Amino acid sequence: AQTVTQSQPEMSVQEAETVTLSCTYDTSESNYYLFWYKQPPSRQMILVIRQEAYKQQNATENRFSVNFQKAAKSFSLKISDSQLGDTAMYFCAFMGVNRDDKIIFGKGTRLHILP
Amino acid sequence: DTGVSQDPRHKITKRGQNVTFRCDPISEHNRLYWYRQTLGQGPEFLTYFQNEAQLEKSRLLSDRFSAERPKGSFSTLEIQRTEQGDSAMYLCASSLAGVTGELFFGEGSRLTVL
Repeated sequence: AQTVTQSQPEMSVQEAETVTLSCTYDTSESNYYLFWYKQPPSRQMILVIRQEAYKQQNATENRFSVNFQKAAKSFSLKISDSQLGDTAMYFCAFMGVNRDDKIIFGKGTRLHILP
Repeated sequence: DTGVSQDPRHKITKRGQNVTFRCDPISEHNRLYWYRQTLGQGPEFLTYFQNEAQLEKSRLLSDRFSAERPKGSFSTLEIQRTEQGDSAMYLCASSLAGVTGELFFGEGSRLTVL
């Protein structure tokens, strides 16, 4: 069974700083997708960034980028120039391609951006 | 607004009562998912549909839980004989099969069982 582990329950950084959220996963599948989802306080979850396992190039979306290390089964999220609006729960998630289409989430990291 | 909508947003009930939640997905989405989220935890997968077919059901889902998507549009999640341990946020999400990975979530239905 696939598992997703986020080892940082909570983090705080000053506005404009760079922060990295960690995620590791376990799977026997060779082809899969990894995601970071953001859940702001009292608002719905939205997709931040997606990485396809067969692509070696790390995904980037504006201030958000990932460091995907397939051999180490590691998938960290870097937020550059952090903003107050980045305050949220961040969930790392996994989806296998060949077996089923449900997304498995980690327990999340609560990120506080301090003014 | 054409996003995923869930109703009711909040439900308080007494132990032993039945509750039903409704989810209206984005209209062109053929996949619909139900997740449960407790405070400070990540969403736990419950079940999902492709059109009207229920493709998978988690072992977390006891016999007291049932979900339907009768016409491949909206879905209902019913919990019978509620227990205090059922208190959680129930999240619905939809997606388009083949456009892999992006789930569009509703705001959730929060259940409190007294």
